[in-house]
Amino acid sequence: AQKVTQAQTEISVVEKEDVTLDCVYETRDTTYYLFWYKQPPSGELVFLIRRNSFDEQNEISGRYSWNFQKSTSSFNFTITASQVVDSAVYFCALSLSGTYKYIFGTGTRLKVLA
Amino acid sequence: ETGVTQTPRHLVMGMTNKKSLKCEQHLGHNAMYWYKQSAKKPLELMFVYSLEERVENNSVPSRFSPECPNSSHLFLHLHTLQPEDSALYLCASSQGLESETQYFGPGTRLLVL
Repeated sequence: AQKVTQAQTEISVVEKEDVTLDCVYETRDTTYYLFWYKQPPSGELVFLIRRNSFDEQNEISGRYSWNFQKSTSSFNFTITASQVVDSAVYFCALSLSGTYKYIFGTGTRLKVLA
Repeated sequence: ETGVTQTPRHLVMGMTNKKSLKCEQHLGHNAMYWYKQSAKKPLELMFVYSLEERVENNSVPSRFSPECPNSSHLFLHLHTLQPEDSALYLCASSQGLESETQYFGPGTRLLVL
């Protein structure tokens, strides 16, 4: 069975601190996709990144970076120099190849304090 | 223009009312989804449409009735709801069904009294 675990329920940091959100997934499939979404208080899930299981290169996009490690089944998300606008709930999700179903984690609420 | 829009953004209804939620996507996608997000629960996939045909009905009670008149529009008709149906209802779309990125709308916050 597939599963996504976001063990951190809530994280609070002070502005300009770096913060890492953890995501651990379980699947026996060799081809799959991993996603991160941001859900601000407004409610919309904002797509951040999609990564396929064959691409283990880390990705950087501005202040955001992602560390994909198949050896530990983890796909962690780091925000550098956090800002108040980063406050949101962040979801990690897993999708198997050829399907439309996402297995979402329970989310990590990030609070960035001014 | 925003990729996926939803109306209304907020809705309060009684248990005997009938209302509809509307979703529209401006991305040229072929698949659309309804999700339910309740407090302290993972997102639940409710319905999936591909090219206006329903491909998933995830054991959703019949008081929720979806409609997809074309690939850009998706409705969720509500009737005789229960208080436990209060939640955030999210619409999403994707280019196709297989391993595609889903893009979400802002959701409708529904309160059933």
